[in-house]
Amino acid sequence: EAGVTQFPSHSVIEKGQTVTLRCDPISGHDNLYWYRRVMGKEIKFLLHFVKESKQDESGMPNNRFLAERTGGTYSTLKVQPAELEDSGVYFCASSPGRGREQFFGPGTRLTVL
Amino acid sequence: AQSVTQLDSQVPVFEEAPVELRCNYSSSVSVYLFWYVQYPNQGLQLLLKYLSGSTLVKGINGFEAEFNKSQTSFHLRKPSVHISDTAEYFCAVSEGRNTDKLIFGTGTRLQVFP
Repeated sequence: EAGVTQFPSHSVIEKGQTVTLRCDPISGHDNLYWYRRVMGKEIKFLLHFVKESKQDESGMPNNRFLAERTGGTYSTLKVQPAELEDSGVYFCASSPGRGREQFFGPGTRLTVL
Repeated sequence: AQSVTQLDSQVPVFEEAPVELRCNYSSSVSVYLFWYVQYPNQGLQLLLKYLSGSTLVKGINGFEAEFNKSQTSFHLRKPSVHISDTAEYFCAVSEGRNTDKLIFGTGTRLQVFP
């Protein structure tokens, strides 16, 4: 069974540009989560989808971040325009149901110059 | 607000020695507790979890952790480490019933030397 995949693995962009990160959850997992780790700090929750609906987006830092999950399958996280402080590793996770184990992807390392 | 503290950012240890990675949390409600491990270039993998019941939890790869409610701790232990245990370890909590959101500590990098 394929795990959670994320694309790209690395992205280097300049301040002011737009970047879109993609996450493909494990097939059949209705729950999808985004987390972010800024260098040297803790991994922080961004948001939680149940199918295509946003269940909890309390961790989204500001309106430069837009997450979507059309059709309840893969999800995208767009940052527009990117700022220096957006640099970090963005993790995606999925789970088959509420309260179940979250399976994490390898992350996308975003560097904003 | 919930928070998780991992006091040790790095723990060096020789192979076959015991190790303990410390985790303390603060929360006003009952929590679920987790330990995750991240090997180089991989995603986070669940080592073990405490939801309820016995306070001593056994996980994969010979790791175990003990939930101590009075000390609000969930320390991770292994009696004899291997070179392959070299990785970064994360403690996390969630309120469980109300949310799936995981609150993580800053991580502890375990380096096992031969």
